[in-house]
Amino acid sequence: GEDVEQSLFLSVREGDSSVINCTYTDSSSTYLYWYKQEPGAGLQLLTYIFSNMDMKQDQRLTVLLNKKDKHLSLRIADTQTGDSAIYFCAEMAGGYNKLIFGAGTRLAVHP
Amino acid sequence: DAMVIQNPRYQVTQFGKPVTLSCSQTLNHNVMYWYQQKSSQAPKLLFHYYDKDFNNEADTPDNFQSRRPNTSFCFLDIRSPGLGDAAMYLCATSNGGGYEQYFGPGTRLTVT
Repeated sequence: GEDVEQSLFLSVREGDSSVINCTYTDSSSTYLYWYKQEPGAGLQLLTYIFSNMDMKQDQRLTVLLNKKDKHLSLRIADTQTGDSAIYFCAEMAGGYNKLIFGAGTRLAVHP
Repeated sequence: DAMVIQNPRYQVTQFGKPVTLSCSQTLNHNVMYWYQQKSSQAPKLLFHYYDKDFNNEADTPDNFQSRRPNTSFCFLDIRSPGLGDAAMYLCATSNGGGYEQYFGPGTRLTVT
């Protein structure tokens, strides 16, 4: 079946890099996503990667995909207090753009 | 700006009293989704509309219904809310052939 797992919590110091990890089970997933959710708000699409790529960089964000191990990571360079939020990993499953989400990683950034 | 709008942002209803949540979009996307997100959990797809075609997830309770009167609007009806239906309800849209889903801000439902 489809399942996405993430660690629940990450604490980093302001200015350091953050790395949020995710594993998924559906080897046929075509796209994998990272969404950001701030308190009381909806989901903001941060970035995504197509399954035939192994890396994608977008400003401070770097996504790494290890398809063999079904492992996805999000690296945030120079983490700021505004990056404090819950980060959701998701895979696209099925033929109609269904997203399967992980439970989210809460990122806390401290001075 | 093109966007996904959800009203109201906060909704309180009584146990067993029908409630309707609203979603509208200015993106002109042909696919609209409803997700349920309980506290500290992953968003879970309830159903989606591909144009006028309704697609229900196998494990969505019968208590949840949806209507899509036109491209721009989609409603989530909960016929008899229970305490376990308290959650954030997220609406999302996508272009049918595309791979990006855009989410609204959500409606937080409280059941008393």
